[in-house]
This record gives sequence, C-alpha cells and structure tokens, in this order.
Amino acid sequence: GENVEQHPSTLSVQEGDSAVIKCTYSDSASNYFPWYKQELGKGPQLIIDIRSNVGEKKDQRIAVTLNKTAKHFSLHITETQPEDSAVYFCAASREGGGADGLTFGKGTHQIIQP
Amino acid sequence: KAGVTQTPRYLIKTRGQQVTLSCSPISGHRSVSWYQQTPGQGLQFLFEYFSETQRNKGNFPGRFSGRQFSNSRSEMNVSTLELGDSALYLCASSTRTGGPRAYEQYFGPGTRLTVT
Repeated sequence: GENVEQHPSTLSVQEGDSAVIKCTYSDSASNYFPWYKQELGKGPQLIIDIRSNVGEKKDQRIAVTLNKTAKHFSLHITETQPEDSAVYFCAASREGGGADGLTFGKGTHQIIQP
Repeated sequence: KAGVTQTPRYLIKTRGQQVTLSCSPISGHRSVSWYQQTPGQGLQFLFEYFSETQRNKGNFPGRFSGRQFSNSRSEMNVSTLELGDSALYLCASSTRTGGPRAYEQYFGPGTRLTVT
C-alpha cells in the first residue's frame, strides 16, 4: 500500500517569513495530493490540493509543488500570519475506481512566532 | 451549505462495550469515509461508503463496521471495545460523482471516543 513520509514534524517560523513542508510518497499510481490544516478541537480542513497532471498550484499565500519523478510534493506558505499556526497534514491517494482512501503523513506542527 | 456533522462529539465507554457513531455528509455528497486519528498512528483510513455500499476498507479488524443509509448518512460501529480504540473518529464526505472536485474530502469535527 501507499506510504507517505512528512517532514519536519515541528516547524517554528517568524511571522512574515515563509514556511515549507515536504512529503514523499511510495505508490507511483497515486495521482491526488491534498493538504489539510487541523486546528485544536477541529477536524482537518482542506486548504489546497494538486493532481499528478499539474506541477504547481497556487492559491493566494499558499502553493503546492509536485515532482512525480522523485515522488515528492511540498506545501509553501508565504507571509506567514499567527492564524497559520496549526498542524498540517499531507496525503496521497488514487482517484477513480479502487481508491483506498487518503494515506496521510504524520503531520507538521507549525508555530508562527510573533 | 452546512458542513459535515458528527454525533456525538464526545463519548466514554467501558472495555467490552460497543459504540455507534453517526455522520451526516454535506448536502449532495454521496460518499462518506471514516478515519481514526490517534497520537501514535496518526490519521488512518477505516472504510468508505458510496450509494449504501462499502467501496473500500482499510486495515482494521472486523470489530469495526459501518453502514450508509439512502440519505447518505453513515454510521460506524465498534464492537467489543478495547483500550486502544480510544481515538478521534473523523468522517469525511465527497461527491464522488465526476468532475474535478469529485474526490475532495471534507471532514467533520470528529467524535472523541475514550475507552476505560
């Protein structure tokens, strides 16, 4: 089955600086890669996703890049703000028939320092 | 549009008992997936239901089961509870009916289950 590794496990960033979280996956058939943000006491919130036919996707301060050859994808957050403090999860899956659900990384606890 | 709702939000059970958790998906979403979240194992896929049929299943024992109703609402049941079943149980819904957003999964707030 799929295996997703996520680094770092903890990330401390000065407010206004950029943050990068990296993930690798093992199953070359995976073609859908979402990122979730989870705040204390809440369920994961989908913040951005990318499909394997695209190399990069951007939404305001958030961007995701995908390297299919190397089987890794990254989340980039620019101009970080206090509300960006949360746990971030990457995930991978196969869309379409036979999907096995999302396989998640272990999470990155991001702390934005004022 | 209302989000995914889960009931109850908190539950305390004793070893050996069984428990049923409920999930109501976003209106129009026909797929419901269940996940278990623990500090040690992280987020793990339990199973997915679509059109009242289980479509996929993760690597969990048969004590974990579920079902889906004709209105897409889903229930998850855990029998003969063990201490290790203490976790946050999350459900997520998606449309699964074609289009570029068919597989985007939206999570509910979860049910916190404590087994004593």
